[in-house]
Amino acid sequence: RKEVEQDPGPFNVPEGATVAFNCTYSNSASQSFFWYRQDCRKEPKLLMSVYSSGNEDGRFTAQLNRASQYISLLIRDSKLSDSATYLCVVNPLFDDMRFGAGTRLTVKP
Amino acid sequence: NAGVTQTPKFRVLKTGQSMTLLCAQDMNHEYMYWYRQDPGMGLRLIHYSVGEGTTAKGEVPDGYNVSRLKKQNFLLGLESAAPSQTSVYFCASSRDSKTYEQYFGPGTRLTVT
Repeated sequence: RKEVEQDPGPFNVPEGATVAFNCTYSNSASQSFFWYRQDCRKEPKLLMSVYSSGNEDGRFTAQLNRASQYISLLIRDSKLSDSATYLCVVNPLFDDMRFGAGTRLTVKP
Repeated sequence: NAGVTQTPKFRVLKTGQSMTLLCAQDMNHEYMYWYRQDPGMGLRLIHYSVGEGTTAKGEVPDGYNVSRLKKQNFLLGLESAAPSQTSVYFCASSRDSKTYEQYFGPGTRLTVT
């Protein structure tokens, strides 16, 4: 089983739609959680950190469920510019990081 | 402010050749990382460093070596390239691993024939 698993998609949604991605992780001792965004043939960039109580940044909401070992990302009112691959990132132990394979989102007019 | 830079951007190697990828950051970050990204696999951590003069193995270290002689530079070496090392390599840096974001370089596309 991979340490961090994501639904690869692709998710194809119309503009204005709400879309949700889930990510599961295997190490229950994991400390920190993040969502990164990666545009085609570009480097990943931090979208948001995920806090235990859940957090929101504009149209984006991230949730953490430690008991079930998953994190989620909700995007409301999707824009064309949201089209990208979304990477779930977990800090399992010590100082290394584990990335999911990514979920591809395409927002269509 | 350049952030994280990587040299070279593209490279083609023959099997058995060696090369060094250079990563440089100007943010005074303690932590630096080397990843490889392959289709369907996501980013996998090769080696990382928590400060000048230190290195540690990540998830897929075999076939690679690293050095962090200066705080701002992190070098990734391939001593004897193999076709399985064809990939996109990303370097990243961060203040620490737990609360601060990682800043990535633009990547190096390496093909080994």
